[in-house]
Amino acid sequence: GNSVTQMEGPVTLSEEAFLTINCTYTATGYPSLFWYVQYPGEGLQLLLKATKADDKGSNKGFEATYRKETTSFHLEKGSVQVSDSAVYFCALQHPFFGGYNKLIFGAGTRLAVHP
Amino acid sequence: NAGVTQTPKFRILKIGQSMTLQCTQDMNHNYMYWYRQDPGMGLKLIYYSVGAGITDKGEVPNGYNVSRSTTEDFPLRLELAAPSQTSVYFCASSYSPVGEGNTEAFFGQGTRLTVV
Repeated sequence: GNSVTQMEGPVTLSEEAFLTINCTYTATGYPSLFWYVQYPGEGLQLLLKATKADDKGSNKGFEATYRKETTSFHLEKGSVQVSDSAVYFCALQHPFFGGYNKLIFGAGTRLAVHP
Repeated sequence: NAGVTQTPKFRILKIGQSMTLQCTQDMNHNYMYWYRQDPGMGLKLIYYSVGAGITDKGEVPNGYNVSRSTTEDFPLRLELAAPSQTSVYFCASSYSPVGEGNTEAFFGQGTRLTVV
């Protein structure tokens, strides 16, 4: 079936370090891919997305490229800040019968950035 | 803007008790969703609704009920709480199906429920 696998956390980095959070997926067809972020005490919010192969989503210095050949959508940021500390969720869109789409989420990866 | 508001934020229930998790959105979204997140797992869809008066089951609907009498509200009902329902519950809404075009799902802060 369709699924998303993320690297386990927590990921602990110093400020200005390079970040990679791995995400791979299993899906039929051509799903859309998403990264959602949950800051402490808040709900999930969309960080970036890519809707077709080789698309690059970007926002707030974060990037992820939709790689069909490796079924991956890894999240990267060149220089993290303390304010990036949050839980990051990789997700894919799963179209199913009736046209009502739903999101399939990974387990989430907690990122902690220290000064 | 309030966005998606869930209440309560935390709750402890005894086995067999019932409760309703409230969810309301002020964005006039047609689509609303309830997810649960178990430790170390991704969010799983419990129920969803595509508009007032219309609801349907997601992946893990057993033990839950929903209603959608208005566009704004989408309460989730637990009738006989069980320890297996200990989880964090997220309500979400979107203007159209998630993943379609530029559609984005907006989430509430979550409700942490413990059944003892």
